[in-house]
Amino acid sequence: DTGVSQNPRHKITKRGQNVTFRCDPISEHNRLYWYRQTLGQGPEFLTYFQNEAQLEKSRLLSDRFSAERPKGSFSTLEIQRTEQGDSAMYLCASSLAANPYNSPLHFGNGTRLTVT
Amino acid sequence: AQSVAQPEDQVNVAEGNPLTVKCTYSVSGNPYLFWYVQYPNRGLQFLLKYITGDNLVKGSYGFEAEFNKSQTSFHLKKPSALVSDSALYFCAVRSYGNNRLAFGKGNQVVVIP
Repeated sequence: DTGVSQNPRHKITKRGQNVTFRCDPISEHNRLYWYRQTLGQGPEFLTYFQNEAQLEKSRLLSDRFSAERPKGSFSTLEIQRTEQGDSAMYLCASSLAANPYNSPLHFGNGTRLTVT
Repeated sequence: AQSVAQPEDQVNVAEGNPLTVKCTYSVSGNPYLFWYVQYPNRGLQFLLKYITGDNLVKGSYGFEAEFNKSQTSFHLKKPSALVSDSALYFCAVRSYGNNRLAFGKGNQVVVIP
């Protein structure tokens, strides 16, 4: 399977703990995106990378959130001091940069975070 | 700013009947429009896109969508719905130069056998 891979699929954590998610994009895709989806809503943009550079961040990405893509391949999203409001599905997507605006995003199956 | 409206929460249709899922958008400049489908506990799967050219675009699984610039709409259609089409459908838009893809809240489609 050469699609976008996300791990873990599910994460249950207690409020105040730190969590880290991993995303492995499609190998030839140099753009990588993180989105958050809550129940009954569409995905909301968090941030995106072109290669290893983080080029844009949403206001939704508070100081407790940090994303990295150190070698321009896989990416991690860390949430520090989790809050119940962080409970959501975190989606990773990748695309080609050659035609960035008309290339569709290819999504992984997401990591569902539950903060108790 | 860019945004998408999907006015109906749920669309019910009998198997074999035509399926339509509505989408209107707001964007500065020319829109790049997309439809995605999501099955339970899964990510979004790309169905089709409109970039330029013919207003009727065809995509995966027999779906098509019609771009209407004057009505700022991009409705998704399928001539004959299948039970397996039951899922959540998202319309999305972005404009040239905008790296964020803006999604609507989604429509739950229920195809009744």
